[in-house]
This record gives sequence, C-alpha cells and structure tokens, in this order.
Amino acid sequence: QKEVEQDPGPLSVPEGAIVSLNCTYSNSAFQYFMWYRQYSRKGPELLMYTYSSGNKEDGRFTAQVDKSSKYISLFIRDSQPSDSATYLCAIGFNKFYFGSGTKLNVKP
Amino acid sequence: GAVVSQHPSRVICKSGTSVKIECRSLDFQATTMFWYRQFPKKSLMLMATSNEGSKATYEQGVEKDKFLINHASLTLSTLTVTSAHPEDSSFYICSAGGGWDSYNEQFFGPGTRLTVL
Repeated sequence: QKEVEQDPGPLSVPEGAIVSLNCTYSNSAFQYFMWYRQYSRKGPELLMYTYSSGNKEDGRFTAQVDKSSKYISLFIRDSQPSDSATYLCAIGFNKFYFGSGTKLNVKP
Repeated sequence: GAVVSQHPSRVICKSGTSVKIECRSLDFQATTMFWYRQFPKKSLMLMATSNEGSKATYEQGVEKDKFLINHASLTLSTLTVTSAHPEDSSFYICSAGGGWDSYNEQFFGPGTRLTVL
C-alpha cells in the first residue's frame, strides 16, 4: 500500500467553479499535511501547510484534514484559469511522501 | 516564502559524464536540504536528506556512490550525478528546510531537468 494516494485526474472545470482535490494516506502517525502547486517544468510551490487536524483557510484556498479517515482535501473557490496546474499533496513527519499530483484545468 | 534557487535549470550531457547540480537558499540558512527526483507524471521521490556539515542520509534504493551529495554550508548543497546514463534522465528538485522546523517546513527550488544522451 502506498503511503499517499492521490487521484491523478485530469480534472477540468469552468472558471468560477469550486474545485475539490483529495488525498488519502496510510500512516496515522503523520502530522504534517501540505499542498503544493506545480506548473509545467517548474518546482513545486507551497500553497497550504497544516499541522495535525482541522481546517485552514487562505484566500480562495481551504485545506481540510480528517485524521480519523486519513483523508485531506484542498478546496479552491472561484477557480481561475491561472489555477490550472498540477496539485501535489505531501504528508508525513520529518519525512514526506508525495501524492502523484492531480492535474487541474480551469477553462475560461 | 523563502527563496531557493537551482543551477543549472536544464542540462544535457553524454552518457558516462558527471553532472553537478547546485541548490542554494537565498534568503535564509538551511540547516537541512532534501533532494528529490520526479519522473514524468509521477510523484516526487525523496532521494536523500543532508544536514550542513555531515554526511547525507540516502533513501533505500538510492546509490550513494552514484548520487554524491555535499552540504558544505548553510546556503549551498550540491548533487553530483556520476557517470550518468540515460536512465538517470529526470527532473531533480531540491528543497531547503529552515526556520523553526527544518524537516517539516520545506521550500522547493525550481528544479533541474537532466537529459543524458
């Protein structure tokens, strides 16, 4: 079983839609949960960083962690074409396991 | 966020040559640096973790003699791919950890695309 599983997509939505991206993980000891955005041929850029459980909001982005289900989500409100990228989750503690990334396309 | 640079951004080399990739933290001191490898449409795979002034810790399956890592200062780590072969072609990304938790707060460089002919 992989440490982190993420649906690769691609996910295509119209501009203004709410986007939901998800990851599941296997190790209940993991305490740090991060979401990265990666544009083509670029390094990942940290979007959201959550320690332990709960929700965190930053502008149009909301990160949720459900430790009982070992499930994390990233919501993007009012999605924009500039949000088109691959979104990676990273989960762990001192060592991180990355999801395979979900490719998002927001159509104008 | 903190800025991490990598150089070169892309390199093409002949099989059998060695390639050095630099990773620099530009505006903070990185006590820990991480090297990842990313294949097309695949996840990032951690190759090794290095702490300034000490030997790198390699992940299982990563050849330490093949991928030489040096973390000589708090702002610079290098990855040397020795005797590169076509199967070493990949996107190599470093990240730097600093601040209150150098392991759990990582800032990524832009990556280096290596193509071995």
